[in-house]
Amino acid sequence: GAVVSQHPSRVICKSGTSVKIECRSLDFQATTMFWYRQFPKQSLMLMATSNEGSKATYEQGVEKDKFLINHASLTLSTLTVTSAHPEDSSFYICSAIGVMNTEAFFGQGTRLTVV
Amino acid sequence: GNSVTQMEGPVTLSEEAFLTINCTYTATGYPSLFWYVQYPGEGLQLLLKATKADDKGSNKGFEATYRKETTSFHLEKGSVQVSDSAVYFCALGQEYGGATNKLIFGTGTLLAVQP
Repeated sequence: GAVVSQHPSRVICKSGTSVKIECRSLDFQATTMFWYRQFPKQSLMLMATSNEGSKATYEQGVEKDKFLINHASLTLSTLTVTSAHPEDSSFYICSAIGVMNTEAFFGQGTRLTVV
Repeated sequence: GNSVTQMEGPVTLSEEAFLTINCTYTATGYPSLFWYVQYPGEGLQLLLKATKADDKGSNKGFEATYRKETTSFHLEKGSVQVSDSAVYFCALGQEYGGATNKLIFGTGTLLAVQP
């Protein structure tokens, strides 16, 4: 299947700083990318959906100014957690789908710890 | 709204035992149903799917049947192996942009198979 790479796999940052997570589709052009957040022992919660070249569509309850999503190219989407707080610590996962795909492909996830 | 309820884990089985992981859903319309698997240190992978009532998805010895009357999509395997140890996610697909790719996930079930 198609490959989606997420970077970094783990990151630790200080409270108040910003951290950027990258999601790349390595062998296909991703017209749509999804960002999820997973708390321990809970399901993956969809945070936002982004289409290349357009503004992201955020799910209810997700702060747009805190979780900045950019999908500037057909192979890269970024999620920036701004002014991070310890409660932002979580596992973030992206998925991507291209025009020729019938399913979404997932990245390996990023474990964010805010101290 | 749409939701997925999945049995809690962990599920611990001996090799060659029969596996069932229950999944029920609540949805409007006629969603597609999926099972994803996440092996340690890897991203989510699509295991199988069913797009309409009475469809049976199957892959790698795993099966699940889309039961509209009981709103269920239980995952089964007749004889598990140690290599099946992973976290299994049931998911419901919503329409997005003409494709069923906006996924709502269950909480995930950890399966541990002992030799």
